[in-house]
Amino acid sequence: GESVGLHLPTLSVQEGDNSIINCAYSNSASDYFIWYKQESGKGPQFIIDIRSNMDKRQGQRVTVLLNKTVKHLSLQIAATQPGDSAVYFCAETRGGADGLTFGKGTHLIIQP
Amino acid sequence: SQTIHQWPATLVQPVGSPLSLECTVEGTSNPNLYWYRQAAGRGLQLLFYSVGIGQISSEVPQNLSASRPQDRQFILSSKKLLLSDSGFYLCAWMGNIGAKYEKLFFGSGTQLSVL
Repeated sequence: GESVGLHLPTLSVQEGDNSIINCAYSNSASDYFIWYKQESGKGPQFIIDIRSNMDKRQGQRVTVLLNKTVKHLSLQIAATQPGDSAVYFCAETRGGADGLTFGKGTHLIIQP
Repeated sequence: SQTIHQWPATLVQPVGSPLSLECTVEGTSNPNLYWYRQAAGRGLQLLFYSVGIGQISSEVPQNLSASRPQDRQFILSSKKLLLSDSGFYLCAWMGNIGAKYEKLFFGSGTQLSVL
């Protein structure tokens, strides 16, 4: 099933601006969250992850925020570039062999 | 380093024909392996996963089956394709088995069109 959902199917931002992609999850038992980037016709690529004992984690130009109280996850991309144009998926798991549960994805469009 | 290979990249098949998609992983042993399907405008749906040779878990009842004849080989099959089997199929492996929190690494996908 798809217990992880995204608020906006499409997000359009100006090049150079910051992007914020949101995700709501329904399984309060989930304790590990991942953001993936999928370019057209390709497989998803790992961007950043966060465990439930954290509320923020930073990578290169990306930050993931986790609010367990409202079961909300967000991905922030700083200084958005044309190469950031893709579909972004959040995923959740409680750990275990059955892998990850994915949301529907948000298509990030970069305006020049 | 680990790599995952998936083929073919694109496949057009008539309704009622058989299907065989293959996935292999290199650079790791005894990985967990997964088949996902992605319909247009939707997320990834888990179809099958395997924790070892000959061990297959099915997540949804369907027209498809999976097999793992070798440690690093995962095959998705169908005896008779349906129109509803069209989609983007992704193979993935899970890294660092033994840790509770692990991410999936995906292949490049197969776009299947059933006509």
